[in-house]
Amino acid sequence: GENVEQHPSTLSVQEGDSAVIKCTYSDSASNYFPWYKQELGKRPQLIIDIRSNVGEKKDQRIAVTLNKTAKHFSLHITETQPEDSAVYFCAATRAGVTGGGNKLTFGTGTQLKVEL
Amino acid sequence: GAVVSQHPSRVICKSGTSVKIECRSLDFQATTMFWYRQFPKKSLMLMATSNEGSKATYEQGVEKDKFLINHASLTLSTLTVTSAHPEDSSFYICSARDLAASGVQETQYFGPGTRLLVL
Repeated sequence: GENVEQHPSTLSVQEGDSAVIKCTYSDSASNYFPWYKQELGKRPQLIIDIRSNVGEKKDQRIAVTLNKTAKHFSLHITETQPEDSAVYFCAATRAGVTGGGNKLTFGTGTQLKVEL
Repeated sequence: GAVVSQHPSRVICKSGTSVKIECRSLDFQATTMFWYRQFPKKSLMLMATSNEGSKATYEQGVEKDKFLINHASLTLSTLTVTSAHPEDSSFYICSARDLAASGVQETQYFGPGTRLLVL
């Protein structure tokens, strides 16, 4: 099955700096990679996702890059703000597979703290 | 956008009792829902995949007789923790996929979670 590793487990940055979180996956057939943000005690919220047919996707201050050859993908947050503080999870799945339900395999999470 | 609700948000029960948690897709139909368990400061662990009209598919190591899943309609899945014990205390979160979405159909929308405490 799929295995997703995520680094770092904790990340502290100064407000306004950039933050980068990296994930690697093991299943070369995985083709859909979402990123979720989870605040304490709350539900995970999808913030951005990328499919394997593109190498980069950007949405305002958030971007995700994907390297299929190396099987890794990264989340980039620029101009960080205190409200970006949360736990971020990467995930991977084989999209479009029938029967299997397209299970998401999650990374172990990164606690991001944006300090004033 | 797609909204998933969960009820109750928090439950405290005595050891040995059963607890039912509901997961509803409010504005879309979900033939597939997922149930996760999350320990403090840990990742989401998939427990089972709930399929409307058929039996749930459980992940390895998850006791199907302990965690009963019923997906009776296209908008409702329930998880029943039977004969709960203190070690079952956890944060349980469901998610659902909107297969009718014109965009990425693989996107999972999460419920707000249910915090279970078994005394």
